[in-house]
Amino acid sequence: GAGVSQSPSNKVTEKGKDVELRCDPISGHTALYWYRQRLGQGLEFLIYFQGNSAPDKSGLPSDRFSAERTGESVSTLTIQRTQQEDSAVYLCASSLARGNLEQFFGPGTRLTVL
Amino acid sequence: QKEVEQDPGPLSVPEGAIVSLNCTYSNSAFQYFMWYRQYSRKGPELLMYTYSSGNKEDGRFTAQVDKSSKYISLFIRDSQPSDSATYLCAMSTLPGSARQLTFGSGTQLTVLP
Repeated sequence: GAGVSQSPSNKVTEKGKDVELRCDPISGHTALYWYRQRLGQGLEFLIYFQGNSAPDKSGLPSDRFSAERTGESVSTLTIQRTQQEDSAVYLCASSLARGNLEQFFGPGTRLTVL
Repeated sequence: QKEVEQDPGPLSVPEGAIVSLNCTYSNSAFQYFMWYRQYSRKGPELLMYTYSSGNKEDGRFTAQVDKSSKYISLFIRDSQPSDSATYLCAMSTLPGSARQLTFGSGTQLTVLP
């Protein structure tokens, strides 16, 4: 079936604007993750959703970042009042269940803040 | 000090060479060790997955874990140009832990034809 999809693939915005990034996980995957990958760096955990449980938001870098997920489907990551240091690739991943370590990644959204 | 350290490279080798990629870590609670491969402008994909110490082989790829030294390796035999990618190590304590995976910064590999 289809893999994890993300939109847009690229986003260029001006400092101070809000952006919304979308993730469609693999159907049936209850766990969903957002990561940030800065140039030349590893993946930085942002937030984790598992079914209808309260999300783990402990990786969000500031209150400008928020994320929502509707049931076990689409998730959106919102960055308010974007700053230049927010420029990065934002990756979404899903997995079958909380105990399953294999995460399937989308292609990412490349965000550039001018 | 980062929990997981990985030499960023870049690493460039001729086709057919044996490649060794490595990570060190500081958290002795890590028990699950993974290698992800990330092609340019793509998301990472799981390549190898091992539990605790020991070796695991899959075709041209061998993953090695030495928990006593807190050191893991990925060996690629008979490297091919199609192996050119960034390789990320990742680790986890328990499957139920919320954050699941801690990633290294990745090693960029180029295999020259």
